[in-house]
Amino acid sequence: GENVEQHPSTLSVQEGDSAVIKCTYSDSASNYFPWYKQELGKGPQLIIDIRSNVGEKKDQRIAVTLNKTAKHFSLHITETQPEDSAVYFCAAAAPNAGGTSYGKLTFGQGTILTVHP
Amino acid sequence: GAVVSQHPSWVICKSGTSVKIECRSLDFQATTMFWYRQFPKQSLMLMATSNEGSKATYEQGVEKDKFLINHASLTLSTLTVTSAHPEDSSFYICSAGSGTSGSDEQFFGPGTRLTVL
Repeated sequence: GENVEQHPSTLSVQEGDSAVIKCTYSDSASNYFPWYKQELGKGPQLIIDIRSNVGEKKDQRIAVTLNKTAKHFSLHITETQPEDSAVYFCAAAAPNAGGTSYGKLTFGQGTILTVHP
Repeated sequence: GAVVSQHPSWVICKSGTSVKIECRSLDFQATTMFWYRQFPKQSLMLMATSNEGSKATYEQGVEKDKFLINHASLTLSTLTVTSAHPEDSSFYICSAGSGTSGSDEQFFGPGTRLTVL
């Protein structure tokens, strides 16, 4: 089955700095890679996702890059703000049996991001 | 965006009792719902996948007779923890997807905190 490794486990940055979180995956069939932000006591919220036919995707201060050859993808947050502090999870999924949508997600271990004012 | 609700948000029960958690997709029809368990400071672990009108598919190591899942309609799935014990105390999170081509996103509920005394 799929195995997703995420690093670092904790990341501390100063407000305004950039933060980078990296993930690797094992299943070459995986082609959907979402990133989630989870605040304490709440469910995960999708912040950005990327599919295997795209190498990079950006949404304001957040960007994700994907290297399918190396089986790794990264989350980049620029101009970090204290409200970015949370736990971030990467995930990977392969198409379901019918090939029409994606099946179950395999999550990374999570990164606790702390942005100091 | 699509909204998924869970009820209750938290529950405390005595050992040996059963607890039912509801997961509802509020503004879309969810052909597939997923149930996750998250222990403190850990990642989300998939417990089972439920498809409307059919039996749930459980992940390895998850007891299907202990964690009963019912997905009776396109907007409601329930997880019943039977004969709960303290080791079942955890944060239970559901997610829902429409399962249609081109719509890969899973929408997560806010989670249910279960404490078994």
